[in-house]
Amino acid sequence: DVKVTQSSRYLVKRTGEKVFLECVQDMDHENMFWYRQDPGLGLRLIYFSYDVKMKEKGDIPEGYSVSREKKERFSLILESASTNQTSMYLCASIGDTEAFFGQGTRLTVV
Amino acid sequence: QKEVEQNSGPLSVPEGAIASLNCTYSDRGSQSFFWYRQYSGKSPELIMFIYSNGDKEDGRFTAQLNKASQYVSLLIRDSQPSDSATYLCAVNRHVGWGKLQFGAGTQVVVTP
Repeated sequence: DVKVTQSSRYLVKRTGEKVFLECVQDMDHENMFWYRQDPGLGLRLIYFSYDVKMKEKGDIPEGYSVSREKKERFSLILESASTNQTSMYLCASIGDTEAFFGQGTRLTVV
Repeated sequence: QKEVEQNSGPLSVPEGAIASLNCTYSDRGSQSFFWYRQYSGKSPELIMFIYSNGDKEDGRFTAQLNKASQYVSLLIRDSQPSDSATYLCAVNRHVGWGKLQFGAGTQVVVTP
């Protein structure tokens, strides 16, 4: 019973490419989040959304943008990928009393 | 200073013993506190949340919160090899489950 699905498990992109990471949840949650996880740094919040077409910057939004056109889908966009964006990207969908992460996308920028 | 700090470990615990994990946070106004477990190569999964000072028990897990001292801890009783994972502490400035600040995690290794 997969609840949060990320479009890719592994991704390799070239520097300068525009990269789209997709996240879909089936729990009708309003709140969705994008984190990146790096060794020794834990999870850092990139962007989040409390409703359709609403978005707010997290702690490290530089170089990223997001889109939420439908309630179930929250997309993370790397406008021009750089090597320092190589990381594990985790999407989370959070309700009033439950929280689920997707399986993660390991992005490598070469 | 990081907003949420944890010892990175690894914390080695004999099977059957109690594992004690600590987490301190810098924002005195923080309202909601969470513990996530993350197995190697997997995504985090929520195991506990606590809002009020004191203890909260759920099975073999107990979360302890002390807002005056700005720390939250997690106790794992009767530790099992399946408890070997990284445990992430997360804090929210507001009541609720939304925008979280995560610590870097403590690795726990339960030895048979």
